[in-house]
Amino acid sequence: AQKITQTQPGMFVQEKEAVTLDCTYDTSDQSYGLFWYKQPSSGEMIFLIYQGSYDEQNATEGRYSLNFQKARKSANLVISASQLGDSAMYFCAMREVYGGATNKLIFGTGTLLAVQP
Amino acid sequence: EAQVTQNPRYLITVTGKKLTVTCSQNMNHEYMSWYRQDPGLGLRQIYYSMNVEVTDKGDVPEGYKVSRKEKRNFPLILESPSPNQTSLYFCASSLRGRGREKLFFGSGTQLSVL
Repeated sequence: AQKITQTQPGMFVQEKEAVTLDCTYDTSDQSYGLFWYKQPSSGEMIFLIYQGSYDEQNATEGRYSLNFQKARKSANLVISASQLGDSAMYFCAMREVYGGATNKLIFGTGTLLAVQP
Repeated sequence: EAQVTQNPRYLITVTGKKLTVTCSQNMNHEYMSWYRQDPGLGLRQIYYSMNVEVTDKGDVPEGYKVSRKEKRNFPLILESPSPNQTSLYFCASSLRGRGREKLFFGSGTQLSVL
């Protein structure tokens, strides 16, 4: 069964520094996709970045990059040059890409990031 | 503006009083889904729908009902709410719910059952 693990319940980072949020996953599928979402205190879910299991390069979106290590089954989110507005809950999620009985996005338990001035 | 609209944003009710949380999307998406978010558990899928009149259970469907009579609407029904259904609920949609498609989320409904 698919499973997402985020082992860091909470983290602090100084403004302008980089931070890595950990995500490991478990799946027997060969084709899958990994997503990161941000949830600020206002509650909405904001899509940040996507990595496909067969993508040759690690995904990047502005200050967000995904450190994808397929053999280790990890998909860590790296935020460069942290800003106060990055303070939020961050969720890692996974979906199988081809076939399968369901198409749900499975979420981890989240990491609460606090950026300090 | 492309969006998923949930109502109400906040809801306080009492045990046993039937309620409906509405969800509507304006993107012509086939796939819609409901999640609940609880501290320490992340988001868990309640029900999903692949298209009109096609719905199926997610991981935590007990105590919930859904319907998909129109493509744009996917209401969540709690026939007899209980305190353990106090949670933050999200409706989400995507074109077909497959592959690289990201989910578009509503703004959430914070439900408290007393």
